[in-house]
Amino acid sequence: AQSVTQLGSHVSVSEGALVLLRCNYSSSVPPYLFWYVQYPNQGLQLLLKYTSAATLVKGINGFEAEFKKSETSFHLTKPSAHMSDAAEYFCAVRRANFGNEKLTFGTGTRLTIIP
Amino acid sequence: EAGVAQSPRYKIIEKRQSVAFWCNPISGHATLYWYQQILGQGPKLLIQFQNNGVVDDSQLPKDRFSAERLKGVDSTLKIQPAKLEDSAVYLCASSLGGGGYEQYFGPGTRLTVT
Repeated sequence: AQSVTQLGSHVSVSEGALVLLRCNYSSSVPPYLFWYVQYPNQGLQLLLKYTSAATLVKGINGFEAEFKKSETSFHLTKPSAHMSDAAEYFCAVRRANFGNEKLTFGTGTRLTIIP
Repeated sequence: EAGVAQSPRYKIIEKRQSVAFWCNPISGHATLYWYQQILGQGPKLLIQFQNNGVVDDSQLPKDRFSAERLKGVDSTLKIQPAKLEDSAVYLCASSLGGGGYEQYFGPGTRLTVT
């Protein structure tokens, strides 16, 4: 079965500092990987996804993530944090080329931005 | 374009009562998903529809939960009877198809069972 582990349920960074949210995955076959953001009282919004093309994936709002097979990781980064980045972030995985297979989400990381 | 609509946004019920949630997906989206998000956890898929057929309901507690998507458009998720552990946010999402298509999420319904 596929799974993701998000290290750190809470992360705080200063405004303007680097944002690094960690995600490690487990999958018996090549995975597709996703990062979603959830603002308070809202649904999830896709930030970016890896679907076996380029290993460095760029998303919305200046975020990017790098797929590292050797480390089974898909960490999310942003060079300079903005107050509007405060939200909860979820990493998700599913098996590549398996049609309608569902997404398996991690437990989330709440990002706080310090002014 | 209009997003995924859900109602109600909040619901408080007592245990053993029944409750229903409604979802209207983005127009033209064939696939509809219901997720349960318990506080402090990631969303968990309850059921996935492709048009009006069920693709995956392996994690739906069928003794108390039911869902339907008549005419392949909007959908209703019902819980009867509710338990305390059903307190969660219920998210509806839709996509053009399954697999690699992006899922668009609604704002969710926050259910509190007392």
